[in-house]
Amino acid sequence: QVQLVESGGGVVQPGRSLRLSCAASGFTFSSYGMHWVRQAPGKGLEWVAVIWYDGSNKYYADSVKGRFTISRDNSKNTLYLQMNSLRAEDTAVYYCARESVAGTKGDAFDIWGQGTMVTVSS
Amino acid sequence: EIVMTQSPATLSVSPGERATLSCRASQSVSSNLAWYQQKPGQAPRLLIYGASTRATGIPARFSGSGSGTEFTLTISSLQSEDFAVYYCQQYNNWPPYSFGQGTKLEIK
Repeated sequence: QVQLVESGGGVVQPGRSLRLSCAASGFTFSSYGMHWVRQAPGKGLEWVAVIWYDGSNKYYADSVKGRFTISRDNSKNTLYLQMNSLRAEDTAVYYCARESVAGTKGDAFDIWGQGTMVTVSS
Repeated sequence: EIVMTQSPATLSVSPGERATLSCRASQSVSSNLAWYQQKPGQAPRLLIYGASTRATGIPARFSGSGSGTEFTLTISSLQSEDFAVYYCQQYNNWPPYSFGQGTKLEIK
């Protein structure tokens, strides 16, 4: 079935790096824009980054611009989030999510992963 | 940047009753608005897109309305499984794909 599975979360010290992965299955991954969304403990949802279906464009929230990099490997059906210079305020559950319509740029998110927890603490 | 504001922050409703949740955008987002439901420990689930279209598998008791800057999510007859946090999101002017702060729907 259509599924997204995140991995790579954990506990990391401030200033260090971490890379998250999101493995997609059950659909043509290379046809869909993909997003990362995060949720700090007890807080609401915060959009983090998007990458177009072909990887040609990427956009970021101001809070992570210059520190995080979204990428994808369509041959491996996998989405990534490279997180550098991590801060305590980056502590959150990180979800990957799929845009609901293939090939579009800007749509609702119809498929979500279960999330992976990132804790930034010394 | 478009700011999404949801009200109320918490809504207490009895099972079987109707719930009405509101979402306001700081500028027009046309009909490019989605609603999500999130239960504790779970990922968000898409309920409504295009302001009023139910996503696949969403019961008919969920309905969305509005356009421009004012939107409403209505749950016609609350079931026990509907008590959760609800978020609106605009995808008209991005980045960012702004979410509202959420409305917690609790049992009265």
